[in-house]
Amino acid sequence: EAQVTQNPRYLITVTGKKLTVTCSQNMNHEYMSWYRQDPGLGLRQIYYSMNVEVTDKGDVPEGYKVSRKEKRNFPLILESPSPNQTSLYFCASRGTGTGGELFFGEGSRLTVL
Amino acid sequence: AQKITQTQPGMFVQEKEAVTLDCTYDTSDQSYGLFWYKQPSSGEMIFLIYQGSYDEQNATEGRYSLNFQKARKSANLVISASQLGDSAMYFCAMREGQGTGNQFYFGTGTSLTVIP
Repeated sequence: EAQVTQNPRYLITVTGKKLTVTCSQNMNHEYMSWYRQDPGLGLRQIYYSMNVEVTDKGDVPEGYKVSRKEKRNFPLILESPSPNQTSLYFCASRGTGTGGELFFGEGSRLTVL
Repeated sequence: AQKITQTQPGMFVQEKEAVTLDCTYDTSDQSYGLFWYKQPSSGEMIFLIYQGSYDEQNATEGRYSLNFQKARKSANLVISASQLGDSAMYFCAMREGQGTGNQFYFGTGTSLTVIP
């Protein structure tokens, strides 16, 4: 089954404790991206990657890092999480069909205390 | 300026009626793509429909159609014959530029409630 898999789905952590949210896709997509969803703000792009070893900042990259060492994986790293990074995070890969729509993971709800 | 604007935070529609969710966009690119996604209460993001900037006809996918008015920079979603399962948050999104990967911009969403 074609899918984007994120882990963990739910996480409660404390300020300053480094964490990584993994993302993996099995569709051989070149493009992957991360978003955060906050009430009243919709989804905002954090980082995106057009291919292995190629990453670019989105609209809200501060406080986040990413890496793309393999085509299928695109982890999101919070080196020193803060409470304002409490959010719902989505990973997505972009299809190669006519529209190139995004395929989303199920989301990771992160709470930073 | 906002790239995507959805001015309706919440909408109500009677079951079996049609409803239009508004979306306007802002871009200076000639080539771009417009998308609508549905997010039910379970949280996943479901792709509904796509319209390319060069497409002359409005996109349709089953009960969903996209009313594309390029000169007005609007891309409204029309849902016909609403069902209870259509109750969800709906997001309009835009991809700017050409190629296989670019930035995506999302609106703040419209919460649709279908009334029996």
